[in-house]
Amino acid sequence: DIQMTQSPSSVSASVGDRVTITCRASQGISSYLAWYQQKPGKAPKLLIYAASSLQSGVPSRFGGSGSGTDFTLTISSLQPEDFATYYCQQANSFPRTFGQGTKVEIK
Amino acid sequence: EVQLVESGGGLVQPGGSLRLSCAASGFTFSSYSMNWVRQAPGKGLEWVSYISSGSSTIYYADSVKGRFTISRDNAKNSLYLQMNSLRDEDTAVYYCAPNYYDTKHPAQRYYFDYWGQGTLVTVSS
Repeated sequence: DIQMTQSPSSVSASVGDRVTITCRASQGISSYLAWYQQKPGKAPKLLIYAASSLQSGVPSRFGGSGSGTDFTLTISSLQPEDFATYYCQQANSFPRTFGQGTKVEIK
Repeated sequence: EVQLVESGGGLVQPGGSLRLSCAASGFTFSSYSMNWVRQAPGKGLEWVSYISSGSSTIYYADSVKGRFTISRDNAKNSLYLQMNSLRDEDTAVYYCAPNYYDTKHPAQRYYFDYWGQGTLVTVSS
């Protein structure tokens, strides 16, 4: 199974800050990676697919990069509605696996 | 509009069984593979199972293999998860998620753009 490791587990940031979350796969997954945002009590929301493609309707301040084993989600200017937990997920093979999550908190 | 409505959750004793359902609408259900994903209280997301559009290909997470069975009825636009020999650690919100995608962006087909509201399964004595 492919293990997905996110870092950091949590980050405290202020509105307007640039935030970067990393995700590392235990083996190469090409660009088969997605990023999701989840708010308490809600289902996850797809932000980025295929490592760097922005899902329709997602603000352009969200960006994804990487391939192989190392990936990054960047929020260029944090907005109040961005405080949430973010997960990466690999789609290279079964079983599909998620990272453990990164909680973005208000500083 | 894609809609997914899960049902069938509830309180069950360890060792018991439960059958979850997911009613899908707003897309051609029979054309898309489907998944179950769960989230234990206060924990992260865990993919549980996958079924192809015609039910020919099925995968399970190791944590549920041999205990859970995924199935679908394309005539009823419904997905199911039969859960047997339930354990405390199966306590979670269970979501169904299709591999539905915009035909202009086929790369989306590997990911989960639509989710139901989830149904809570609590395994406890």
